[in-house]
Amino acid sequence: GAVVSQHPSRVICKSGTSVKIECRSLDFQATTMFWYRQFPKQSLMLMATSNEGSKATYEQGVEKDKFLINHASLTLSTLTVTSAHPEDSSFYICSARDVNSPLHFGNGTRLTVT
Amino acid sequence: KQEVTQIPAALSVPEGENLVLNCSFTDSAIYNLQWFRQDPGKGLTSLLLIQSSQREQTSGRLNASLDKSSGRSTLYIAASQPGDSATYLCAVISGGGADGLTFGKGTHLIIQP
Repeated sequence: GAVVSQHPSRVICKSGTSVKIECRSLDFQATTMFWYRQFPKQSLMLMATSNEGSKATYEQGVEKDKFLINHASLTLSTLTVTSAHPEDSSFYICSARDVNSPLHFGNGTRLTVT
Repeated sequence: KQEVTQIPAALSVPEGENLVLNCSFTDSAIYNLQWFRQDPGKGLTSLLLIQSSQREQTSGRLNASLDKSSGRSTLYIAASQPGDSATYLCAVISGGGADGLTFGKGTHLIIQP
C-alpha cells in the first residue's frame, strides 16, 4: 500500500538552531501534504496545508516565518522549524494524498529542544 | 469551526470485555470520519474510514458507526486484548474533502491482562 516516509523519527537540538523534517511519499504523487503537531496529552492539530508548487496555507496561530514549509516536488515536503525553542518541542507528523486517495501518514518526528 | 470530542478520555477494562468509544463532532457537514490508533511515541495507524454516505465499517474485531445528522460516531471493540491498549483517535474531514483532519484528544485505553 501507499507509504509515507518521515525523517528523522527523533531529533534533539539546542535552542536557537533550526531543524528540518522531511516527508516523502514513496509510491504515489502527493499533490497535497498536511503537517500536524501534537503536544503531550493534546490532540493532533493541523499546522498547515501545502500543495505542490504553491505556498503553504497556515492555520491560525501558526507562525509561517517560524515553520517553513516547502513542497517543491510531488513526492517531498519539508518542514523547517527555525530558531527552535523549548516550547517547540512536540511530535510533528505529516500526511499526504494524491487526488483520488485517502490520507497516508508518516510515522512522526519527536522534536526535543534543549 | 469543527470541534471533535472524545469520551471517555481514559478507559481501563479487563481483557475479554467488549467496549465502546465515543466521538462527537459539532459540524455535521463532514466528508469522512476516521478512527486511528496511536501507540506511545509512535505515529498513527488508520483503523477504519467511514465516508459521509456510510453508516458503519467493520474490520475484524472493530466496528465503527456513523450518525452524521447527530454528529456522532462510535468505535466498538469486541473481545478486547492487552494488545489493544493504545490511544484511539477520532478525526473528521469537513466540507468537500480538501481540508486536513480535525482530531479529537483521544481515548487512552488500557486492557488489563
